[in-house]
Amino acid sequence: DSGVTQTPKHLITATGQRVTLRCSPRSGDLSVYWYQQSLDQGLQFLIQYYNGEERAKGNILERFSAQQFPDLHSELNLSSLELGDSALYFCASSVGGSEKLFFGSGTQLSVL
Amino acid sequence: AQRVTQPEKLLSVFKGAPVELKCNYSYSGSPELFWYVQYSRQRLQLLLRHISRESIKGFTADLNKGETSFHLKKPFAQEEDSAMYYCAPDSGGSNYKLTFGKGTLLTVNP
Repeated sequence: DSGVTQTPKHLITATGQRVTLRCSPRSGDLSVYWYQQSLDQGLQFLIQYYNGEERAKGNILERFSAQQFPDLHSELNLSSLELGDSALYFCASSVGGSEKLFFGSGTQLSVL
Repeated sequence: AQRVTQPEKLLSVFKGAPVELKCNYSYSGSPELFWYVQYSRQRLQLLLRHISRESIKGFTADLNKGETSFHLKKPFAQEEDSAMYYCAPDSGGSNYKLTFGKGTLLTVNP
């Protein structure tokens, strides 16, 4: 167990809907990262937060947004969902940056 | 642009054979490099990082700055090595983000 908790484990929804994925980092970790894993694109970096502030942005769509709360948990909001958004979404945490990342078990999103 | 390439999507070897998973990067500066592994039904986890210069589960990886490569090697593959392997260079700095390659699925056959 890495100490990173993601909920829910599975999510099935319809196109056009909005969902929220939640991540609780390891105790003491200030950085939270979100990744999208799909068969064709591999593991794509979406966004990173450090102590509540956005630190780095990757290939995150405008329909997606994220935030990190004062208790350091993070949420990834996906809206106007499309079939192509179906993927495994991972959260990871680290103490700061440029260090070992600890990954959660992921949320499998299926958009039907 | 910063880029990491893992040219092999799939790699299949027999138990006891040597294995090399390739990783090439295109980064400015001196990135720190990592290999992450994802075993079946398990979380992605760090396998090794180049600054540690260590051998984990028999795997080693040497940073070749001239060839901008960070290939992962093991002299004698085991069945339990079957997994998805991701190379991840990190540019470091204040805008830290770990960019992963598309991964190589290693299958070690008995």
